[in-house]
Amino acid sequence: DGGITQSPKYLFRKEGQNVTLSCEQNLNHDAMYWYRQDPGQGLRLIYYSQIVNDFQKGDIAEGYSVSREKKESFPLTVTSAQKNPTAFYLCASSDRNEQFFGPGTRLTVL
Amino acid sequence: AQSVTQPDIHITVSEGASLELRCNYSYGATPYLFWYVQSPGQGLQLLLKYFSGDTLVQGIKGFEAEFKRSQSSFNLRKPSVHWSDAAEYFCAVDETDSWGKLQFGAGTQVVVTP
Repeated sequence: DGGITQSPKYLFRKEGQNVTLSCEQNLNHDAMYWYRQDPGQGLRLIYYSQIVNDFQKGDIAEGYSVSREKKESFPLTVTSAQKNPTAFYLCASSDRNEQFFGPGTRLTVL
Repeated sequence: AQSVTQPDIHITVSEGASLELRCNYSYGATPYLFWYVQSPGQGLQLLLKYFSGDTLVQGIKGFEAEFKRSQSSFNLRKPSVHWSDAAEYFCAVDETDSWGKLQFGAGTQVVVTP
């Protein structure tokens, strides 16, 4: 089955630690995206990549970093510089018609 | 600033009743328009989309939406709601030259009562 996988589903982190969220797709899409979701705020774009080895900042990139070394993979690192990282993180990929979303990772900072 | 507005944060509807969720956007040109649904703790699923042509769009699960250029609106409707329609609904806009970069509304939480 084609789709997007995100791991882990739940992630706990201590303050001051970096943590990496995984996103893999087998839909052969060029474009991939990371969103952050907070209650009452919808989804906000963190980073996006339209092609391998290239990515752009979204609306809330501060405190986050990404890489796009392979077409299938777009990992997101939440660094210690992110002031309020507790949130639900969604990865997506798209063709020219539609974005497809993964199941999400819930990150909690202890 | 360009934005997507969903005026209703929360809607409660009886099972079998009709449902309408509002969405307004502020973009200069006609963007691509989407409605997504999210069950608790899950990713988003596309209900329907509008790119061009017929302004009344049919989607999955019995939903439809109507694009009204004069009102910059793209409201979602369902004639008869089922308990399984309880979820959060997001309107999203893709500027036609941004190739997939979506701007989302804040979402509308739908509760279905027996």
